[in-house]
Amino acid sequence: DAMVIQNPRYQVTQFGKPVTLSCSQTLNHNVMYWYQQKSSQAPKLLFHYYDKDFNNEADTPDNFQSRRPNTSFCFLDIRSPGLGDAAMYLCATSMQRGQGVDTEAFFGQGTRLTVV
Amino acid sequence: AQSVTQPDIHITVSEGASLELRCNYSYGATPYLFWYVQSPGQGLQLLLKYFSGDTLVQGIKGFEAEFKRSQSSFNLRKPSVHWSDAAEYFCAVGPYSSASKIIFGSGTRLSIRP
Repeated sequence: DAMVIQNPRYQVTQFGKPVTLSCSQTLNHNVMYWYQQKSSQAPKLLFHYYDKDFNNEADTPDNFQSRRPNTSFCFLDIRSPGLGDAAMYLCATSMQRGQGVDTEAFFGQGTRLTVV
Repeated sequence: AQSVTQPDIHITVSEGASLELRCNYSYGATPYLFWYVQSPGQGLQLLLKYFSGDTLVQGIKGFEAEFKRSQSSFNLRKPSVHWSDAAEYFCAVGPYSSASKIIFGSGTRLSIRP
């Protein structure tokens, strides 16, 4: 009964070769997040979607893009992966209604990206 | 500015001993506070959360945390740790509104001494 599912769990890509990571959710949450987490560091927010509204963090490189074709799915595209992009990528979802009825974030198991 | 501070990078405690992990936050409105745990190579699992009401919240795996508004703190506690508690622990603030985002502390790595 996994609620936030990330595929694949492990991804190896070549330097400069575009790669897509996927995230799906069964919670019907309206917010989806993508985080990058490097070894022994806190997750770093790349961007998030509130419904269809895309919110990019100011320091997220242009190399990172995202798509959310519907409520359930969200994709992270890395156009030209560099060695420095090797990391764990975490997808999360939450429900935002305001007025004290928001939920916490639910995380997937992550995708470990290796760049060779 | 919104921020979360976990002052302890790494803590080692003996199995069976009590534990307290510190978390301080800076947030412009009433915070929603969370503690997450991450085992190596895994995603984040929610231990507990505080939205409002009773400032002492109980979580899973025997953890609890206390919200202290006057100290801007949300420390995590456990009376007796088990070897399986060895992991990375993250304190987080938010989300509060559609314009907000989750802010994580830098994490505290917990090691358990046999």
